[in-house]
Amino acid sequence: AQSVSQHNHHVILSEAASLELGCNYSYGGTVNLFWYVQYPGQHLQLLLKYFSGDPLVKGIKGFEAEFIKSKFSFNLRKPSVQWSDTAEYFCAVNSGGGADGLTFGKGTHLIIQP
Amino acid sequence: NAGVMQNPRHLVRRRGQEARLRCSPMKGHSHVYWYRQLPEEGLKFMVYLQKENIIDESGMPKERFSAEFPKEGPSILRIQQVVRGDSAAYFCASSRLGDEQFFGPGTRLTVL
Repeated sequence: AQSVSQHNHHVILSEAASLELGCNYSYGGTVNLFWYVQYPGQHLQLLLKYFSGDPLVKGIKGFEAEFIKSKFSFNLRKPSVQWSDTAEYFCAVNSGGGADGLTFGKGTHLIIQP
Repeated sequence: NAGVMQNPRHLVRRRGQEARLRCSPMKGHSHVYWYRQLPEEGLKFMVYLQKENIIDESGMPKERFSAEFPKEGPSILRIQQVVRGDSAAYFCASSRLGDEQFFGPGTRLTVL
């Protein structure tokens, strides 16, 4: 069975600080990896995804993530955060061709202080 | 292009009643997924459906829960004889080719 671990449940940063949110997964086969974001009062939106190819993936709003297969990790990064990045961030994984249901981490609540 | 629609957004039921949650996928999407989010927990996969077929229901509780996605109309998640532990946010997602999933706003079920 798959599992996803997000290391930090709550993160508080100041604007312009750099961000890295950890995500590790447990699964022995081929995986597809995702980061979703949920802004206050809104529904989940896809930030970025990795299926294959270049392990450094660029997403929307300046976010990127790096797939490190040997570490079973898919950490999310942003060089300079903004107040509008305050949200809940979820790492997720599924297997195969990508059609399977997603296994989510518990989420990281990110607060950016102006 | 309208996103994934879910209704109702909020649903209150008393113990023992039935809850019906509806999900209309995005136009052109034939894959539907249901997830449940309990307080302080991440989203948990429940069931994956394509038109008229259940593809994977490995996350569905064995009793009282059922899902369908008929040829016409929305997907329905049905919970019979609700209990307090069913109180949660239920999210629906859809995809066109079974890859990127687009999520709806969720239905918040409260069982009194």
